[in-house]
Amino acid sequence: GDSVTQMEGPVTLSEEACLTINCTYTATGYPSLFWYVQYPGEGLQLLLKATKADDKGSNKGFEATYRKETTSFHLEKGSVQVSDSAVYFCALLSGGYNKLIFGAGTRLAVHP
Amino acid sequence: NAGVTQTPKFQVLKTGQSMTLQCAQDMNHEYMSWYRQDPGMGLRLIHYSVGAGITDQGEVPNGYNVSRSTTEDFPLRLLSAAPSQTSVYFCASSYSLGLDTQYFGPGTRLTVL
Repeated sequence: GDSVTQMEGPVTLSEEACLTINCTYTATGYPSLFWYVQYPGEGLQLLLKATKADDKGSNKGFEATYRKETTSFHLEKGSVQVSDSAVYFCALLSGGYNKLIFGAGTRLAVHP
Repeated sequence: NAGVTQTPKFQVLKTGQSMTLQCAQDMNHEYMSWYRQDPGMGLRLIHYSVGAGITDQGEVPNGYNVSRSTTEDFPLRLLSAAPSQTSVYFCASSYSLGLDTQYFGPGTRLTVL
């Protein structure tokens, strides 16, 4: 079945460092891909999405490119802030559009 | 708009007890769903509904019941709680299926002793 694999955390960075969180997927067809973010004590929020190959989703300085050839959707940010500390989930929209399949989540901690 | 609200925020149950987790949204969304979040496993879909009176099972439906009598509310019932149901539960809603953004509630942390 469809699945999403994310790099294990936690990821610990200093402020202004570069961030990459790896995400790869297995799916039939060409699913839409998403990154959700969960701040401490809150529910998940959509961060960005891409609906077809080579699309780039971007928001709040984060970006991710849908790579069909490597079945990947890595999350990147050039300069992280302390306020970016959260858990990041990669997800795909499963065939039939009735559910999101989530990765295990990657915790990011950014220190001043 | 309050968005998606969930009650309670925290709950402790004994094995065998029953309870209902409440979820409500005020965005007139047709699609609502329940997920559970466990360490190292991301979120897994329990049940979902595409509109009032219509529900269906997700990946992990056993031990849970749902109903959708109104557009706004989508309660999740634990019939006989088990320690394996210790988890954080999230309710989500969206305008429709497909690419619409899903909006998540703040979650309910449930512990079953």
